[in-house]
Order: sequence, then C-alpha cells, then structure tokens
Amino acid sequence: GNSVTQMEGPVTLSEEAFLTINCTYTATGHPSLFWYVQYPGEGLQLLLKATKADDKGSNKGFEATYRKETTSFHLEKGSVQVSDSAVYFCALNYGGSQGNLIFGKGTKLSVKP
Amino acid sequence: DAGVTQSPTHLIKTRGQQVTLRCSPKSGHDTVSWYQQALGQGPQFIFQYYEEEERQRGNFPDRFSGHQYPNYSSELNVNALLLGDSALYLCASSFTWDYTFGSGTRLTVV
Repeated sequence: GNSVTQMEGPVTLSEEAFLTINCTYTATGHPSLFWYVQYPGEGLQLLLKATKADDKGSNKGFEATYRKETTSFHLEKGSVQVSDSAVYFCALNYGGSQGNLIFGKGTKLSVKP
Repeated sequence: DAGVTQSPTHLIKTRGQQVTLRCSPKSGHDTVSWYQQALGQGPQFIFQYYEEEERQRGNFPDRFSGHQYPNYSSELNVNALLLGDSALYLCASSFTWDYTFGSGTRLTVV
C-alpha cells in the first residue's frame, strides 16, 4: 500500500546550519507530495507541496523536489533559525480535496541559538 | 477569514464513555476530513465527509462515526472509549487543493 517514511528524529542543529530531512514514499500512480509543520500545541500548517515529478516546492526558505526516480521528497533549508523548531511531516495524497493525506511519523527539529 | 475551528480544545473522558468533537470548516470549503494523531506519531486518516455523506474511511472501527451538516460543519463521535483512543483529533477542511487543518482537540481517556 501507499506509505511515507521519514528520517528518525530528533534533529538538533545550531542556528544558521544547513537542514535536510529525508522523506521517501511508496505509492502507485502519481501522488502529490507535501511537507507540513506542527508547532507545539498547534495543528498542522502546509509548508510546501509538489504535484508532479521534478516539481520543486518552496516556502519561507524551505525547498523540496519531487524525485520520481528515487521516490523521494527531501526537505532542505540553507540556514535554519530558532523559530524553525517544530515537528515536520512528509505526506502524500491523491485527488486533491477528494483524497486523504498519508503522513510519515514526523521529524522533530530543535534549533539552538 | 476564519480558518478551521475545533471544539473543545481539551477533553477528559472515562473508559466506556462516548464523546462528540466538533469542527467548523474554513469559509468556502465543502469537504471535511478527520485525523487521529497519537503522541509522537503522524496523523492517521479516520474518514472524510462531502455533501453530508461519508465519502472515504480509513482503518478505524465502527465505534468512530461522523456527521456533516448542510452548513458543512462536522462532528466526530467515538463510542465505548478505550484508553488507546487518547490522542489529538484533527479536523481538516478542503476545496480543490486548499487543505486546511484546525488546531485539534486533545482527548484523554482515563
């Protein structure tokens, strides 16, 4: 079946360090891919998305490229800030609003000043 | 523009009881989905409502049921609560590719 696998956390970085959170997926067909962020005590916020192979999603300095050949959607940011500390979820979906999201287990990021 | 509103924010129930959680969707959204997020895990899809009908369902028992009203608001009902039902319950409303989550209801079963 369809599934998403994320790198285990927690990840601890110093401010201005480079961030990579790995995400791979197993799916039939052509899903859309997403990264969501969850700050403490809050719900999920969409960070970025890509709807087809080779698309790059980007937002707030974060980027991820939909790689069909490696079934991956790794999240990157060149210089993290303390305010980026949160839990990050990779997810896939078919069919837009008619589909349901399948999430990875999440990766907790802590950024130290 | 109000986003997705969930109530209550926190709830404590006893094993065997029943609970109802409520969700008001974002303005303009006609589809409501419910997710269960256990501590330290990713959200798991429970079911989705569209035009007052359950359109899709995840791998959850019949103790989990729902409803959608003509104004698109929705309820999640859980009967015969188990300790394992303790989780954050997230509601998401959507229209085409706009998928917006609420802040969730934290349910604790004791």
